[in-house]
Amino acid sequence: GQQLNQSPQSMFIQEGEDVSMNCTSSSIFNTWLWYKQDPGVGPVLLIALYKAGELTSNGRLTAQFGITRKDSFLNISASIPSDVGIYFCAGPTGSGTYKYIFGTGTRLKVLA
Amino acid sequence: DAGVIQSPRHEVTEMGQEVTLRCKPISGHNSLFWYRQTMMRGLELLIYFNNNVPIDDSGMPEDRFSAKMPNASFSTLKIQPSEPRDSAVYFCASRPDRGRLDEQFFGPGTRLTVL
Repeated sequence: GQQLNQSPQSMFIQEGEDVSMNCTSSSIFNTWLWYKQDPGVGPVLLIALYKAGELTSNGRLTAQFGITRKDSFLNISASIPSDVGIYFCAGPTGSGTYKYIFGTGTRLKVLA
Repeated sequence: DAGVIQSPRHEVTEMGQEVTLRCKPISGHNSLFWYRQTMMRGLELLIYFNNNVPIDDSGMPEDRFSAKMPNASFSTLKIQPSEPRDSAVYFCASRPDRGRLDEQFFGPGTRLTVL
């Protein structure tokens, strides 16, 4: 079945550093979503991508839809302590517009 | 506007007991989802309702799990009898049927521990 693998699994960075993470799929996706989960709460959608090669920004976050349609990347520039959390990629699975498979997550810790 | 509301936030119970998790979706949202999150399996969709009707329950692990949505503002997920392997964080999410269909709004989750 479809799987979404994220790397790295976890990362510790210094405040102010840039962060890069990626998500790879065993099959093609037409949509890529990036969510962030803060400790103790549910995931919140950060960025949605709909077209191969698309590059979309949301503040200090930039995500790209890989041209093979089997991967996506998320970059965070000038990290701050509130960037701490788990970042998930997600993509639609099956027919319809409701079922999404979520990646394994990248746990980010920012050291002040 | 209040987000998705879940209760309780934490539940500790003993194996064999019945557990009921509750969810109030965002007003006006037609779709409701129940997810389970564990370290081993990540975030998994359990069941999806649209306009109070269960559309896809293929993710429900077994007959011990059941979910209902008696009206547009309330849903329950019940586990009976509960087992230690049911320990997880259970999220409810909702989404409107218009606009960006891929954005689901998650509640804060219920952390369930079955001893």
